[in-house]
Amino acid sequence: KQEVTQIPAALSVPEGENLVLNCSFTDSAIYNLQWFRQDPGKGLTSLLLIQSSQREQTSGRLNASLDKSSGRSTLYIAASQPGDSATYLCAAFYGNNRLAFGKGNQVVVIP
Amino acid sequence: NAGVMQNPRHLVRRRGQEARLRCSPMKGHSHVYWYRQLPEEGLKFMVYLQKENIIDESGMPKERFSAEFPKEGPSILRIQQVVRGDSAAYFCASSPSGIVETQYFGPGTRLLVL
Repeated sequence: KQEVTQIPAALSVPEGENLVLNCSFTDSAIYNLQWFRQDPGKGLTSLLLIQSSQREQTSGRLNASLDKSSGRSTLYIAASQPGDSATYLCAAFYGNNRLAFGKGNQVVVIP
Repeated sequence: NAGVMQNPRHLVRRRGQEARLRCSPMKGHSHVYWYRQLPEEGLKFMVYLQKENIIDESGMPKERFSAEFPKEGPSILRIQQVVRGDSAAYFCASSPSGIVETQYFGPGTRLLVL
């Protein structure tokens, strides 16, 4: 069964601290893994997509790593800002017709 | 270039009524996916459609739910005889042909069943 788990479900950090969000997946045969941001009442915005052959991807203050052997991905957000407050979802793609999502990490950055 | 559009954004129905959710994909996208997000849960795949065809409906409940993507017009997710357990956010995504992992999501329709 292709399950995606995100822990913790919610976390708060002071502004300026680095954020570390974890995602684990049970089936290591993924094609790629993607991190999304979800704001209340809005849709999902793709942040980073890591192919199975890659170890990490970077975009600005965001860095995502992928370790297929251990079934884990980590999203790092450097120097967090209040505008980073949102829910972050990871989604695995297994070459079928859908993305398999975790429940999300709800983040609050305290000014 | 407008993104994926969904309407209505909020929908309230009483038990037993029908809910019709609409999704207009991004321009040039011919593939549509529907996901459901129950309270405190992650997004769960429901159905994948191309124009006039259902490609994969393995995530959609067999009873009361149906989906279509006609040649002209938006994709429709239809829920007949709604029950309280259908209350959720329903998200639509679209992708360029054949690129399943590159999905662009709409803002969702929040369905509340009273």
